[in-house]
Amino acid sequence: GDSVTQMEGPVTLSEEAFLTINCTYTATGYPSLFWYVQYPGEGLQLLLKATKADDKGSNKGFEATYRKETTSFHLEKGSVQVSDSAVYFCALTTGGNTPLVFGKGTRLSVIA
Amino acid sequence: ETGVTQTPRHLVMGMTNKKSLKCEQHLGHNAMYWYKQSAKKPLELMFVYSLEERVENNSVPSRFSPECPNSSHLFLHLHTLQPEDSALYLCASSQGWGSSYEQYFGPGTRLTVT
Repeated sequence: GDSVTQMEGPVTLSEEAFLTINCTYTATGYPSLFWYVQYPGEGLQLLLKATKADDKGSNKGFEATYRKETTSFHLEKGSVQVSDSAVYFCALTTGGNTPLVFGKGTRLSVIA
Repeated sequence: ETGVTQTPRHLVMGMTNKKSLKCEQHLGHNAMYWYKQSAKKPLELMFVYSLEERVENNSVPSRFSPECPNSSHLFLHLHTLQPEDSALYLCASSQGWGSSYEQYFGPGTRLTVT
């Protein structure tokens, strides 16, 4: 079945460091790909998405590019802030009424 | 209140108790979802309701019983739970049922079964 694999956390970075969180997927068909973020004590929020190969999703300084050849959707940010500390989830759906399939999440801690 | 709200935020219950989780969405959406979030595991979709009818039930044990009395409210009734049911239970809603609709999540209910 469809699945998403994320890098294990936690990831601890200093403020202004470069962030990469790896995400790879296995899916039948051509999935849409998502990154969700969960801040402490809150539910998940959609951060960005990409619906076809080579699309780049971006929001709040975060970017991810849909790479069909490597089945990847890595999340990047050039300069993280303390306020970016959260759990990040990669997810996919293959369209229609298929549900979202989530990865296990990667906890990011940014220290000043 | 705006968005998706869940009550209670924290719940501790014994294995013989009966309790209910409540979710309310103020977004005018037609689809609502229950997810289970356990440590170091992917989010698990439990139930989906679209226009108050259940459209997805992912092999969830019968000790979890959902109820959707209208498009704004969703309940999860709990009885004779097991310690492994301890988790964060997230509710979500979307404008429609399908992958093209963004889901909006509530803050969750942290459930501990003793």
